[in-house]
Amino acid sequence: GESVGLHLPTLSVQEGDNSIINCAYSNSASDYFIWYKQESGKGPQFIIDIRSNMDKRQGQRVTVLLNKTVKHLSLQIAATQPGDSAVYFCAEKIYNQGGKLIFGQGTELSVKP
Amino acid sequence: ETGVTQSPTHLIKTRGQQVTLRCSSQSGHNTVSWYQQALGQGPQFIFQYYREEENGRGNFPPRFSGLQFPNYSSELNVNALELDDSALYLCASSSVDSGNTIYFGEGSWLTVV
Repeated sequence: GESVGLHLPTLSVQEGDNSIINCAYSNSASDYFIWYKQESGKGPQFIIDIRSNMDKRQGQRVTVLLNKTVKHLSLQIAATQPGDSAVYFCAEKIYNQGGKLIFGQGTELSVKP
Repeated sequence: ETGVTQSPTHLIKTRGQQVTLRCSSQSGHNTVSWYQQALGQGPQFIFQYYREEENGRGNFPPRFSGLQFPNYSSELNVNALELDDSALYLCASSSVDSGNTIYFGEGSWLTVV
């Protein structure tokens, strides 16, 4: 069935360390991937995206890596801060299925001061 | 802020009732999609509207319906509410001009009792 899964439901890191959140996707036809951050009681906040013709994309303190061979996506957060604590979702968009995003269950990132 | 606004933010309904949720998309965004997010889960695609027409639907029964207006704002209607409809309902908007990046609102929390 539809699935964009995450390897770990929770991740705890020390403030200042780098965080890596992983995601496995199942549909080879997916051509666009997005990472969202969701804080408690709020809607998903766009972090970074990547298209299937790329394998790496960098933003401010974040990097997304895409490995299409093994259908794996990761989000790297540099110098993690307490404000980064949230649930992180990866989502995939399948070519020719319009705006439909398929989300995984999320990884909860907890940053210890 | 994403520029996507939803109302109401919270509401409580009784089983069997009907509910209408509203969304104003980000300025210039002509595509609106709706998602249902149950507690502890990732968002699930309900449907998408483009130029006032539904052009994609997820695995939701017909009692979930929607509208998009000429100003691109949108409504989600749910009839014959069931207890399992209790969830956070998210609206997202996008457009080709914005690179198809999908931005979410803060959601409407619906509790069915």
